[in-house]
Amino acid sequence: DAEITQSPRHKITETGRQVTLACHQTWNHNNMFWYRQDLGHGLRLIHYSYGVQDTNKGEVSDGYSVSRSNTEDLPLTLESAASSQTSVYFCASRDSREGPGELFFGEGSRLTVL
Amino acid sequence: AQKITQTQPGMFVQEKEAVTLDCTYDTSDQSYGLFWYKQPSSGEMIFLIYQGSYDEQNATEGRYSLNFQKARKSANLVISASQLGDSAMYFCAMREFSYGNNRLAFGKGNQVVVIP
Repeated sequence: DAEITQSPRHKITETGRQVTLACHQTWNHNNMFWYRQDLGHGLRLIHYSYGVQDTNKGEVSDGYSVSRSNTEDLPLTLESAASSQTSVYFCASRDSREGPGELFFGEGSRLTVL
Repeated sequence: AQKITQTQPGMFVQEKEAVTLDCTYDTSDQSYGLFWYKQPSSGEMIFLIYQGSYDEQNATEGRYSLNFQKARKSANLVISASQLGDSAMYFCAMREFSYGNNRLAFGKGNQVVVIP
């Protein structure tokens, strides 16, 4: 079955370190998204991509970057991790060619920055 | 400005009773879609139901229905005959279709606890 997977599922790092969260989907979806989930804030969009070589900033993009070199992967990089980036991160994808476009989510990556 | 508003505090509902979760939205687009997702304690996000702005009928999916009131800009989720497995956080989300927008904006969620 097609799926979307995130790794690592749990990560503890120190302030100032670079961290990369991986996201891989096998649906061949052209749209991919990264959200962060924090108590009291719901899900907030960090970055998104509509296809290979396309990346766009979301509402909370400061301190994050993404790259899209192929259809399957959208890694999220924290260049210099900060304690404010402690959160649960969700990757999602959708097929822009069909239906209303509900998002399919990965299982989430819990990141703790000490 | 916040596009999706979910303001109810945590809710307790008796098993087998119905529960309504409120969602109001803000958009100037004429074409948009509204989504509801469920997040149980295990953390995954599960898509429940969709309503398009031009849909004439309220959406239904099994025990889930959407009470769509376009003039009031509300899209409340109704869960009938609650089950213990319905205990979760529920998120309302909106996609505005103008300019090829493919992003979903989420509300802050409603917590539901079903008690036996």
